[in-house]
Amino acid sequence: EVQLVESGGGLVQPGRSLRLSCTASGFIFDDFAMHWVRQVPGKGLEWVSGISWNSADIEYVDSVKGRFTISRDNAKLSVNLKSESLRPEDTALYYCAKCGAGWGWLDNWGQGTLVTVSS
Amino acid sequence: DIQMTQFPSSLSASVGDTVTITCQASQDIDSYLNWYQQKPGKAPKLLIYDAFILDTGVPSRFSGSGSGTDFTFTITSLQPEDIATYYCQQYDKLFVTFGGGTKVEIK
Repeated sequence: EVQLVESGGGLVQPGRSLRLSCTASGFIFDDFAMHWVRQVPGKGLEWVSGISWNSADIEYVDSVKGRFTISRDNAKLSVNLKSESLRPEDTALYYCAKCGAGWGWLDNWGQGTLVTVSS
Repeated sequence: DIQMTQFPSSLSASVGDTVTITCQASQDIDSYLNWYQQKPGKAPKLLIYDAFILDTGVPSRFSGSGSGTDFTFTITSLQPEDIATYYCQQYDKLFVTFGGGTKVEIK
């Protein structure tokens, strides 16, 4: 059974940093691209970032470019999102999601970790 | 960047009705279009990928069609457990965009 478990969320002041982690199990981790998707409570889904199986390809939504960094450690079965210069509008539930075969459909999701940016 | 316009934003239908949701891409995305179901307090669940392929275990009352810029998601014979918000999502390799979502309620 595929499992994705996010951690690292919490309350952080504007301008500070946070590192989110997602630990995977139940599948061959280094065969698949991984993504982070966020959702403000009560609002829609917003894709944040994606990383290919070998880290050769990485993409970000414009609103986080230069502030967020995605990485993965295939030996540790983990994908991370380092979030810097956090803003109140980054407040959201952050989901880790596994890509299906190929690039673009997200066939397994974690339960999310909540990030609250507030003074 | 590719924008996804999804409509309606909400709808109310009776059990047994056929429900249709539309998603429009700002440019040609071939068949790179997926549909998700999200129930309150839960993570999204993949229903359909590449426009019309049902993910494993998804009931056959769910279907998808379209290519290019115009896509349709259909629930044939709406069931009480289908109450959820549905999202379309396009992908261009790793770059992903979601539609705004459609909240489906029972009349």
